[in-house]
Amino acid sequence: DAGITQSPRHKVTETGTPVTLRCHQTENHRYMYWYRQDPGHGLRLIHYSYGVKDTDKGEVSDGYSVSRSKTEDFLLTLESATSSQTSVYFCAISGWGIDTEAFFGQGTRLTVV
Amino acid sequence: TQLLEQSPQFLSIQEGENLTVYCNSSSVFSSLQWYRQEPGEGPVLLVTVVTGGEVKKLKRLTFQFGDARKDSSLHITAAQPGDTGLYLCAGGGAGGTSYGKLTFGQGTILTVHP
Repeated sequence: DAGITQSPRHKVTETGTPVTLRCHQTENHRYMYWYRQDPGHGLRLIHYSYGVKDTDKGEVSDGYSVSRSKTEDFLLTLESATSSQTSVYFCAISGWGIDTEAFFGQGTRLTVV
Repeated sequence: TQLLEQSPQFLSIQEGENLTVYCNSSSVFSSLQWYRQEPGEGPVLLVTVVTGGEVKKLKRLTFQFGDARKDSSLHITAAQPGDTGLYLCAGGGAGGTSYGKLTFGQGTILTVHP
């Protein structure tokens, strides 16, 4: 298994509170991604990083920010959690190239009440 | 925004039957990947196809990329209960730093009954 660890695995938080999810990799891959998975939507890209301090938005980035200060860590922050951000969040890593494989973490189930 | 329409969303069949899952888009993708996901786990890659018209086989699974690189299909022959899971298609980005930016279909939940 690719060395990707997400923390926490489960979290319940209240509306309006900030939340930070962590993704840690031991594979030294350049690219890291945050997706959310909701029923009927597959996975949707929130933000991604193509290097330390290099990040860009995905298709559902509103309400989320990210940071990558080290190759191995990619943080996703919900500045002020809302109920619509209740979801399962997956971190992924990949190399570069047209046939590159994405390796996913085990996910974080976030519930905003 | 690129979209991938995956169908059907649910498939419930008996062991030994054949099935096909479709993934369609109006956009061209650099590659098309198929993932399988078990409950409580992240998706795991099954195959990547990159050339229009390409066909790849993985035991009882056959994957095809459309000639125009806008659609793909997954065919399973003689399905087994162990094939049960969520199947996701994903289109690769245009290039540069975007190859790994995947656009996912909605997923197909496959249940194979003994």
